[in-house]
Amino acid sequence: DIQMTQSPSSVSASVGDRVTITCRASQGISSWLAWYQQKPGKAPKLLIYAASSLQSGVPSRFSGSGSGTDFTLTISSLQPEDFATYYCQQANSFPPSLTFGGGTKVEIK
Amino acid sequence: EVQLVESGGGLVQPGRSLRLSCAASGFTFDDYAMHWVRQAPGKGLEWVSGISWNSGSIGYADSVKGRFTISRDNAKNSLYLQMNSLRAEDTALYYCAKALEAVAGTLDYWGQGTLVTVSS
Repeated sequence: DIQMTQSPSSVSASVGDRVTITCRASQGISSWLAWYQQKPGKAPKLLIYAASSLQSGVPSRFSGSGSGTDFTLTISSLQPEDFATYYCQQANSFPPSLTFGGGTKVEIK
Repeated sequence: EVQLVESGGGLVQPGRSLRLSCAASGFTFDDYAMHWVRQAPGKGLEWVSGISWNSGSIGYADSVKGRFTISRDNAKNSLYLQMNSLRAEDTALYYCAKALEAVAGTLDYWGQGTLVTVSS
């Protein structure tokens, strides 16, 4: 099974900061990588798919990059509504399986 | 507007069974793969199972393999998860999610979840 390792597990940042979250796959997954945002008590929301494609309606301050095993989610200028937990997910191996990273909580500094 | 509405959760004793349902609307259901993802209280997301548009491809997490069965009824725009031999560690909020494509695992719409609590 493909394992996904996210770092850091949490980050404290201020409004306006640039925030970078990384995700590493245990084996190559080409560009089959998605990023989700989850706020407390809410369902996850798709932000980025195919490693770098912005989902419709998602602000352009979010961007994704990478391929193979190493991926990055960048928030160029953190806004108050961006404080949430972010998950990466590999979509390369379904069938038979998918895997999420452990999550990164973005907190207010 | 895409809507996914889960139901069937509740309190169940260890070893018993439960069947979750997900009613889909707002899109052509039989064009897309569908998945179940769960989240234990205070924990991260865990993929549980997925099924392709025509049920030809199915997958399960190792943690549920042999106990859970995913299915879909395209005529009823519905997704199901039959959960047998439930364990305390299956306690979680279970989300139904739509894939971007017919056989794929990028999840573009999610329901609000149904809570399953396994306890004696």
